[in-house]
Amino acid sequence: EIVLTQSPATLSLSPGEGATLSCRASQSIRSFLAWYQQKPGRAPKLLIYDASNRATGIPARFSGSGSGTDFTLTISSLEPEDFAVYYCQQRSQWPITFGQGTRLEIK
Amino acid sequence: EEQLVESGGGLVQPGGSLRLSCAASGFTFSSYEMNWVRQAPGKGLEWLSDIRSSGSATFYADSVRGRFTISRDNAENSLSLQMNSLTAEDTAIYYCARARIEVLGTGAFDVWGQGTKVTVSS
Repeated sequence: EIVLTQSPATLSLSPGEGATLSCRASQSIRSFLAWYQQKPGRAPKLLIYDASNRATGIPARFSGSGSGTDFTLTISSLEPEDFAVYYCQQRSQWPITFGQGTRLEIK
Repeated sequence: EEQLVESGGGLVQPGGSLRLSCAASGFTFSSYEMNWVRQAPGKGLEWLSDIRSSGSATFYADSVRGRFTISRDNAENSLSLQMNSLTAEDTAIYYCARARIEVLGTGAFDVWGQGTKVTVSS
């Protein structure tokens, strides 16, 4: 099973600042990584698929990069609605696995 | 609007069974792989099961293999998850999710239901 490790566990930032979230895979997953955003009481929302492709309707301030084992989600300038939990997910190999999440909180 | 709506959650005793359903609308259901994902209280996301668009193949997480069965009815635009031998560790919100159509492998999950809550307790 491919283990995804996200860091940091919690990130405290202010609106307008930039955010960098990391996801490391236990073995190469090529570019088969997605990022999701989840707000309290809501279903996850797809942000990025295949490492760097924004999903439909996702603002340009969200970007993804990486391949192999190291991946990054960057939010260029935080809006109030961006404070949430973010998960990475790999689809390279069964079973599909998720990272443990990074909580992005308002400083 | 592309939509998934889960139902069937509730309170069940340990060792019991429950069947979850997911009704799809607004897209061609039979063209998409479908999945179940759960989230235990205060925890992260756990993928459970996938079914090919035709129903020809299914995949399971080790934690549920042999206890849970995924199925679909493309004529009714519905997805199901039969859950048997439930334990307290199965207490969670259960989501159905659509996988993007990809050339290689199962795609990322681009449409999610709102979730249905399952509580396993005596």
